[in-house]
Amino acid sequence: ELKVEQNPLFLSMQEEKNYTIYCNYSTTSDRLYWYRQDPGKSLESLFVLLSNGAVKQEGRLMASLDTKARLSTLHITAAVHDLSATYFCAPGQWGGSEKLVFGKGTKLTVNP
Amino acid sequence: EAGVAQSPRYKIIEKRQSVAFWCNPISGHATLYWYQQILGQGPKLLIQFQNNGVVDDSQLPKDRFSAERLKGVDSTLKIQPAKLEDSAVYLCASSLEWAGNTEAFFGQGTRLTVV
Repeated sequence: ELKVEQNPLFLSMQEEKNYTIYCNYSTTSDRLYWYRQDPGKSLESLFVLLSNGAVKQEGRLMASLDTKARLSTLHITAAVHDLSATYFCAPGQWGGSEKLVFGKGTKLTVNP
Repeated sequence: EAGVAQSPRYKIIEKRQSVAFWCNPISGHATLYWYQQILGQGPKLLIQFQNNGVVDDSQLPKDRFSAERLKGVDSTLKIQPAKLEDSAVYLCASSLEWAGNTEAFFGQGTRLTVV
């Protein structure tokens, strides 16, 4: 069974600083998805990574996937308050049809 | 394009009562998921449908939870009888697999409180 570990689980950072969230998973998966969740809201898709070495960037966020290391990273550049949210990674697990297995999430707080 | 619709948004019931949630996925999406998200945790898959067939229900507590997807479109999730630990947000999501991409799009969720 696919296990997903995110770290850190809680991240408090200053504006304008850089930081990286890590997502490790236990079994082979060549696809991974990142989602954002604001308090009391649903999940919003951020990035779709479909192959080894995939890198996607949107604004101050950049996600990458290393399927050999079973690792994805979400890098935050020059953080701003609007990025405060919980971020989830979800590798795809194949079992007849792909399903998404979510990590516990990283709660990011960006302080002025 | 309309998103995933869920209703109701909120529900409060007493333990041992029954409750049902409804989901209408994005048009044309063959795959539909029900996830349970307990406060402070990541979503946990309860059941996955491909059209109107069940692909995965390994984590569905079948003694009290049931789900169906009639005609491969709308879906309902039922809990009977509810327990206190069922208090959570129930998220419905749908996806359209193309070129190996099964990105899931989520509805707003139903927040269930069991008292």
